[in-house]
Amino acid sequence: DAKTTQPTSMDCAEGRAANLPCNHSTISGNEYVYWYRQIHSQGPQYIIHGLKNNETNEMASLIITEDRKSSTLILPHATLRDTAVYYCIVRVADSNYQLIWGAGTKLIIKP
Amino acid sequence: DSGVTQTPKHLITATGQRVTLRCSPRSGDLSVYWYQQSLDQGLQFLIHYYNGEERAKGNILERFSAQQFPDLHSELNLSSLELGDSALYFCASSVEGIGPGSDTQYFGPGTRLTVL
Repeated sequence: DAKTTQPTSMDCAEGRAANLPCNHSTISGNEYVYWYRQIHSQGPQYIIHGLKNNETNEMASLIITEDRKSSTLILPHATLRDTAVYYCIVRVADSNYQLIWGAGTKLIIKP
Repeated sequence: DSGVTQTPKHLITATGQRVTLRCSPRSGDLSVYWYQQSLDQGLQFLIHYYNGEERAKGNILERFSAQQFPDLHSELNLSSLELGDSALYFCASSVEGIGPGSDTQYFGPGTRLTVL
């Protein structure tokens, strides 16, 4: 079973910041949080990952709470091309470090 | 472009047949993973190979098998195909993929299999 919970769907206005939450309350100290997205039926696209500290790259920012029980992916200026299913995944030791995918959040960017 | 290639892009076949899907990982990556995604479903992990050896199995049917060759490309073999095997099949690769730590998987564009 996936170790994360995410809202089923979210809307965001084009040009605004999209904030996607994820709960991972049972995460262990050495387990990383990964974010991917899948646009229509394309191959999942890696976005960002983190362990404890907040991370930023050219695509997004990842904010991880101090207790590591939740995180937020931030797309700073959403465009219509950001409409996709966003997956928050914990790479867990008891699954032999495989990525166990949940249902993700369907993010719809509206003009 | 992730650097992971998969062939063919589309495959249409009949029930009972056997097909082979091919994956070439990114240059330098030792791990290859196979996933299945049925219509409107999430990704299901099938199997993981590291440097030619099987490392982990997920929900892979006995009719399915895979291997990773010395040049690190991988093939997923699906036999005695059933209608329910129709799905997208994705391959991913990563540098290592064994043990804890940061190890990002990069995905190919997938193979769409249709069983008629």
